[in-house]
Amino acid sequence: AQSVTQLDSQVPVFEEAPVELRCNYSSSVSVYLFWYVQYPNQGLQLLLKYLSGSTLVKGINGFEAEFNKSQTSFHLRKPSVHISDTAEYFCAVSDPGSGNTGKLIFGQGTTLQVKP
Amino acid sequence: NAGVMQNPRHLVRRRGQEARLRCSPMKGHSHVYWYRQLPEEGLKFMVYLQKENIIDESGMPKERFSAEFPKEGPSILRIQQVVRGDSAAYFCASSPERIYNEQFFGPGTRLTVL
Repeated sequence: AQSVTQLDSQVPVFEEAPVELRCNYSSSVSVYLFWYVQYPNQGLQLLLKYLSGSTLVKGINGFEAEFNKSQTSFHLRKPSVHISDTAEYFCAVSDPGSGNTGKLIFGQGTTLQVKP
Repeated sequence: NAGVMQNPRHLVRRRGQEARLRCSPMKGHSHVYWYRQLPEEGLKFMVYLQKENIIDESGMPKERFSAEFPKEGPSILRIQQVVRGDSAAYFCASSPERIYNEQFFGPGTRLTVL
């Protein structure tokens, strides 16, 4: 069964510094990959997704992620964070194989804490 | 275009009572997914429905939990005889027909069982 591992439960960083949130998934022939952000007491908002094509994916709010098939990784990056980026970030995978229902498998989440 | 709506946003129940959680998908969406988020954990898939059909319920507990998505009206997640371990945030997501990998999430229902 597909699984997702987010290697860091918490990432503290100072404002305007770069950040990388790590995500690894279990191997599969092909996968769809997603990053979602969850602000306190709110639902999830899609930051970006990889379905096919270019391995560098750009999303909203200045975030980007790189799909690395050989390392089964999909790390999220931002060159300069803002206080408003403080939130919980979830990596998720979907298996587009036969019988796929589109259900998402989520990682445990990474709390990004941006300090002034 | 209104987003996915869930109600109630907060629900308190005593052990043994029933909880009904409602989800209205985005306009034009006929696919609904339910996920549960336990404290300090990621979201776990529960069930996937299309109008009047349960497509995948592999994540649903075998007892006390049921879901429906009728031809008219919202999708309902029903939990009978709630226990403290059911306390969690329950999220609904909807998807346009034929586009399985674009899910839009609602704000969630936070269930507290006393």
